[in-house]
Formats: sequence, C-alpha cells, structure tokens
Amino acid sequence: DGGITQSPKYLFRKEGQNVTLSCEQNLNHDAMYWYRQDPGQGLRLIYYSQIVNDFQKGDIAEGYSVSREKKESFPLTVTSAQKNPTAFYLCASSTTYRETQHFGDGTRLSIL
Amino acid sequence: ELKVEQNPLFLSMQEGKNYTIYCNYSTTSDRLYWYRQDPGKSLESLFVLLSNGAVKQEGRLMASLDTKARLSTLHITAAVHDLSATYFCAVGHREWSGATNKLIFGTGTLLAVQP
Repeated sequence: DGGITQSPKYLFRKEGQNVTLSCEQNLNHDAMYWYRQDPGQGLRLIYYSQIVNDFQKGDIAEGYSVSREKKESFPLTVTSAQKNPTAFYLCASSTTYRETQHFGDGTRLSIL
Repeated sequence: ELKVEQNPLFLSMQEGKNYTIYCNYSTTSDRLYWYRQDPGKSLESLFVLLSNGAVKQEGRLMASLDTKARLSTLHITAAVHDLSATYFCAVGHREWSGATNKLIFGTGTLLAVQP
C-alpha cells in the first residue's frame, strides 16, 4: 500500500545531541513537508521541499536541518541548537504544492 | 502575513445537534483544506475547496468556502460521538514571487460530542 512512513514513533534526545527523524513516501509525490505540533496548537511549518535537491525554510526553521537527495526521502535533523525540541513532528507529502497534503503517523520527540 | 483563525477553539455538543466551525483568513488564497486529527494521531484529509462558493459534503460534515469574505465553514449535522476529534482548517499561501508555497494552519477546534 502507498503511504508515508515516519520513524521512529518515539524518540528521546539527550542534551547537546543531534537526532534525525526519518520520513519516507512511496506515493511518487514531488513535494514533502515537515511540521511541528505543540500540545493544543496547530501545525507550524519547519521546512518543505518541492523537488529533489531543493528545499526551503518554513516559519520555524531555526535549530533544524533537512536534506532531499531522493524523491522518496526527506529526513529532518533536530540539532542541539533547538532548545525546546519536545513536540510531535509530522511529515507530509503532496503531488505538487497545490494538491492535498497527506500525513505520516508522526514522531513524538522528548528530551531526556 | 497570512493569518488563519478558527472558532470556537473548543466545542462540546450533544449527539443529534447541529453546529458550525468557522475559519477566517487574512489574505487572498487559492485553496483551503479541512483536516481531522484524533488524539495522538496523524491528520486525515477531509475536504479541499478551490473556488468561491465551493461546497463539499461527506456524511454528516459539509464544508463551504466564501473567498470574498475569506471565510470557510465546517457544518456538522446531527452529531454522533464518532465525530469527536480536533478539526483544522489550512489555507494555501503563495508569495507574489512564487518562491514560497505553503499551508498555514488554524489552531484547531476540539470537538467533543456527548451522548
């Protein structure tokens, strides 16, 4: 079945550590996105990519980095510069930027 | 800067009743989406509205769009407990240069349907 796979489901980060969240899609979508959701709030865009080897900052990119070397994959690294990383992270993809975004099941990141 | 406001933020309603969730946005846009999120889960796409006057219906949910008023509504008819979830609207934002294309999400409406 086609879909978006995020891993791991739960992740714990130690002080000063970088961690990478995986997002893989087999929907043949060109566009991919990373969002952060804090409790009781909406989604805020971290980074997005409309095509392979290209990505743009969203509204809260500081402390995060991404790569888009393959169409299917859009990993997000939460760096030690992100001082408040505890949140629910959602990856999404769409055929193009105009089409409906489909979401993965999310990764819940906490600080140890 | 595009801002998206939803109201109410929390809605407690009895089964069998009707109610409407409102989504206002601050600048022109060419697309609006409604999503559903169950607690601790991902987002499920409900509707996409692309033109003024667009109306979409699925079961007990009906969404409409008024681009002149910059307003979308999600109407719930004869609510049932299974509709309990958080509902988000999201508005497409494209900068004049075309360099940025993204969705701006509302803060969500937590719907609790009581038996």
